Amino acid sequence: GAVVSQHPSWVICKSGTSVKIECRSLDFQATTMFWYRQFPKQSLMLMATSNEGSKATYEQGVEKDKFLINHASLTLSTLTVTSAHPEDSSFYICSSGTSGYPYDNEQFFGPGTRLTVL
Amino acid sequence: AQSVTQLGSHVSVSEGALVLLRCNYSSSVPPYLFWYVQYPNQGLQLLLKYTTGATLVKGINGFEAEFKKSETSFHLTKPSAHMSDAAEYFCAVTEEGNNRLAFGKGNQVVVIP
Repeated sequence: GAVVSQHPSWVICKSGTSVKIECRSLDFQATTMFWYRQFPKQSLMLMATSNEGSKATYEQGVEKDKFLINHASLTLSTLTVTSAHPEDSSFYICSSGTSGYPYDNEQFFGPGTRLTVL
Repeated sequence: AQSVTQLGSHVSVSEGALVLLRCNYSSSVPPYLFWYVQYPNQGLQLLLKYTTGATLVKGINGFEAEFKKSETSFHLTKPSAHMSDAAEYFCAVTEEGNNRLAFGKGNQVVVIP
């Protein structure tokens, strides 16, 4: 399967600052990447779908001005949490999407980024 | 719209006993089904998937799942639990031509020595 990396793996920041999280597809070109948020002991919540070279599609209830997504190349997507607040503290996971044989819509997940806002 | 139901957020199993995690899905078209495992503070790792063909699917770490269309189910099993199986397990569904995944709420598996 494909390898997806995320950087940083964890970050602590002060309230009001912005934090950028990178998601890289290391060994294949990902035209679509997904960003998820996961609260403790809960499932993954899809935040947005990003397609290379176009604007991201945000899920209902996700503030696009607060969670800026850029997918400038086939191997890199970034999520910027702007003016972070303690309630934004969470585990953020990205994935690369595939379609067709042999992956059949399988998503390859990054290791996640733990964000703590003080 | 596609959706997944996983019952029982916490599942306790004795070491060496059968692991059974239930997953029921809803999909308007033939589904693609996945089981993922997540260890603490890590991303998701694919255990196995069903797309077409054989309905009994074997995955990594001794897990397998059977797709039953009549029951809209894709239950995950492992004959003998190992301590290393303690983790969170997610069932997910998607459809051909739509690569968005819908996740279940997950099962936290605890293995008792």
